[in-house]
This record gives sequence, structure tokens and C-alpha cells, in this order.
Amino acid sequence: AQKITQTQPGMFVQEKEAVTLDCTYDTSDQSYGLFWYKQPSSGEMIFLIYQGSYDEQNATEGRYSLNFQKARKSANLVISASQLGDSAMYFCAMRTYNTDKLIFGTGTRLQVFP
Amino acid sequence: NAGVTQTPKFQVLKTGQSMTLQCAQDMNHNSMYWYRQDPGMGLRLIYYSASEGTTDKGEVPNGYNVSRLNKREFSLRLESAAPSQTSVYFCASSELNSGATRDTQYFGPGTRLTVL
Repeated sequence: AQKITQTQPGMFVQEKEAVTLDCTYDTSDQSYGLFWYKQPSSGEMIFLIYQGSYDEQNATEGRYSLNFQKARKSANLVISASQLGDSAMYFCAMRTYNTDKLIFGTGTRLQVFP
Repeated sequence: NAGVTQTPKFQVLKTGQSMTLQCAQDMNHNSMYWYRQDPGMGLRLIYYSASEGTTDKGEVPNGYNVSRLNKREFSLRLESAAPSQTSVYFCASSELNSGATRDTQYFGPGTRLTVL
């Protein structure tokens, strides 16, 4: 069965510091994609970053990077130089080659303080 | 270019009432999805449509029906609402067809539904 696990219900980080949000996944498929979404208090889901299972390099998008460790089945999101506007829920998700479905974790609430 | 739009934004129903949530996308995407989001449970897939003319059940389809009206529009119907269907409902769309792992889904703003 495919599953995404986010073990941190909440995280705190000081402004301008880096923070890592954990995500582990479980799948027997060799071809899959991993996604991170941000959900601010306004409620919309915003796509942040994607990592493919065959990608040799870790994905980066501005201040977001994905620490992909395939053998450990982890895909942690790293946010550098945190900003107050980064306070939000963050969801890790996975899609495998054999399904049309995106499976979500339960999310991590990040709070950035001054 | 509005992306994915949903109507209504908020709705209160009484148990047993019916309603349809509307979703439209202007990105010429092939696939569309309906999710519900409940506290502590992330997003769960209700139904999806991999392409125009097809629909399939997701993880939690009971109590819902869907219609892929055309390539742009995908509606979700609650025939007889129950308090357990109180949730936030998101519609999403993606460009690619089945079998593509690099298929980013883009979400609408959500509909907050309360069933009394």
C-alpha cells in the first residue's frame, strides 16, 4: 500500500533560520513523484516543489529544496531563510506510475516567529 | 487566466438536503479531481476524472456522485447530505493523462460545507 507519513504535527522556527519538514513514504513502485504543497491560513493549496524518483539531483525552487534520500524513502522539505509569510500548513504528497491518484500526508503546521 | 474556480465558497445544509459543488478550470487540463479535507487527516480523494468522459472512485466516494460535464467542468453532488460530510472540499486539475508521475495538480480555493 502507498502511504505518506509526516510525523511533525507542528514546528516552530525563528525568522531567517532554516527549517526542515519531514516526510517519509512507502511504495513498492519504482517510478513515482513526490510533491510538497503549502496551505496558508487563507486555505488555498499552493504547489511548491516536485521530485521524481529517477531524478539524480535534489529539487530546488528558490528558498525551497527537497532533501531526497531514496534508500531511506524520505523526501524532506528544507526552507531556507524563513519568513513570517512561510507560516502555514505543509503537505507532502506522492503519485506513483501505476495510479492516477495523489496521496497526501496529514501535514505539518509551521509557525515562523520574529 | 483564473486557474481552478469553485462555487460556492461557503454552504450550510440541513441533513438530507442535496447540493452540487461546481468546479471549472481554464488551463486546458485533462484530469480533474475532488478532495475533502478534514482536521488531522490531510486531503482524501473522493472522485477523479482522468480525461473527459471518464470518472473513477477515489478513497472516500460513498455519498457522492460526480459529473465531468466537459473538459473544463467537473461537479460534485451530494444527494442526501449527512453531518459526516461537513468538510472543506477542494477541486484540482492536472495537465497529463494517466501514468505520469510528474503531473502537478493545481487546486481551487475550496468550498467550506457545513451539514447540520
